[in-house]
Amino acid sequence: GQSLEQPSEVTAVEGAIVQINCTYQTSGFYGLSWYQQHDGGAPTFLSYNALDGLEETGRFSSFLSRSDSYGYLLLQELQMKDSASYFCAVRHDYKLSFGAGTTVTVRA
Amino acid sequence: DAGVIQSPRHEVTEMGQEVTLRCKPISGHDYLFWYRQTMMRGLELLIYFNNNVPIDDSGMPEDRFSAKMPNASFSTLKIQPSEPRDSAVYFCASSFGLAGEVEQYFGPGTRLTVT
Repeated sequence: GQSLEQPSEVTAVEGAIVQINCTYQTSGFYGLSWYQQHDGGAPTFLSYNALDGLEETGRFSSFLSRSDSYGYLLLQELQMKDSASYFCAVRHDYKLSFGAGTTVTVRA
Repeated sequence: DAGVIQSPRHEVTEMGQEVTLRCKPISGHDYLFWYRQTMMRGLELLIYFNNNVPIDDSGMPEDRFSAKMPNASFSTLKIQPSEPRDSAVYFCASSFGLAGEVEQYFGPGTRLTVT
């Protein structure tokens, strides 16, 4: 089976930097995806890492270390609209298994 | 494109009734996924199709659940008979190409309440 661990909640102020860690255990690992979900909305794709290292997309970056079974999502220059849940998901067996999600609350 | 379309957006039904959820994927997408989201269990994959063929239904909780994809533009998820523990938000997602499972486009979801 698969198991993923990520913090349940993170709170930060506008303009700050937040790092959401994700550790995983799975067989047949291909990569790690990140999704954002606003309250009452649908998950939307943010990023994907198949190889070790950092991927940067605007204010968001994602990192993967395959040897450590670990990844993180870095949110920079936080804005109020970044308040949402963030899910890591492992890609395996041609599908995704999602973590429980981290609720990020951005305060003014 | 209008994105993934799901109907109904909200469904309230009584225990024992049949429920049918519908999904229209994005045109040109060849993967279709059905998920269920609850506070207790998070976002769970129920089943997915590739080119209208069911590939993995290991997440379907029990025989009361069934899914079909008769053509590339339509899929249904049926629950018969429904039970209160089926109350959840059901999402349909679609994607395309090799590694299509990486970047999935989710519909707005159907919020199902079984009383």
